[in-house]
Amino acid sequence: GQSLEQPSEVTAVEGAIVQINCTYQTSGFYGLSWYQQHDGGAPTFLSYNALDGLEETGRFSSFLSRSDSYGYLLLQELQMKDSASYFCAVSGGSYIPTFGRGTSLIVHP
Amino acid sequence: GAVVSQHPSWVICKSGTSVKIECRSLDFQATTMFWYRQFPKQSLMLMATSNEGSKATYEQGVEKDKFLINHASLTLSTLTVTSAHPEDSSFYICSVRTPANNEKLFFGSGTQLSVL
Repeated sequence: GQSLEQPSEVTAVEGAIVQINCTYQTSGFYGLSWYQQHDGGAPTFLSYNALDGLEETGRFSSFLSRSDSYGYLLLQELQMKDSASYFCAVSGGSYIPTFGRGTSLIVHP
Repeated sequence: GAVVSQHPSWVICKSGTSVKIECRSLDFQATTMFWYRQFPKQSLMLMATSNEGSKATYEQGVEKDKFLINHASLTLSTLTVTSAHPEDSSFYICSVRTPANNEKLFFGSGTQLSVL
């Protein structure tokens, strides 16, 4: 089976940097993904890491350590519109992602 | 990427009735679609994998007679919640995956089902 742990809520102020951690347990691992979901909306893909290291896409970066079964999503220059839920998801043998419970990010002015 | 259209966006129905939710892949032929369910402030739980031209593959604990999935064409999958009850009230979302981006899911806009 697969399980993921991520914080339930994170708060930060505009312009700050925030890191959302994710630890996972899985039998068979292909990669770790991150998705963003605004209230009432559909999840949208942010990033995917199959190999160790940092992947940068604009203000968002994602990191993976396979040996530690750990990853994080880093959001820089936070904006109010970044307030949303962020899900990590691990892809195992079937390539179908299993999602974590999500982290609610609240950005304050 | 892929564009996924899901209808309806929300539906309210009486207990005991059936509700059909449609998921369309607008810009590519999807042999496989995924149906997820999400309770408020909770994770997305995979319900089933919809396979074009064959039976859906249901996750453990999901009643296949309760949640009927039909994937009759390469662009359309439907989820029918049969004899709905209040505990079936939830957010249902479909998703597709393109061969070019195997690690990425593209989601429909979701359907909020409320059963009275």
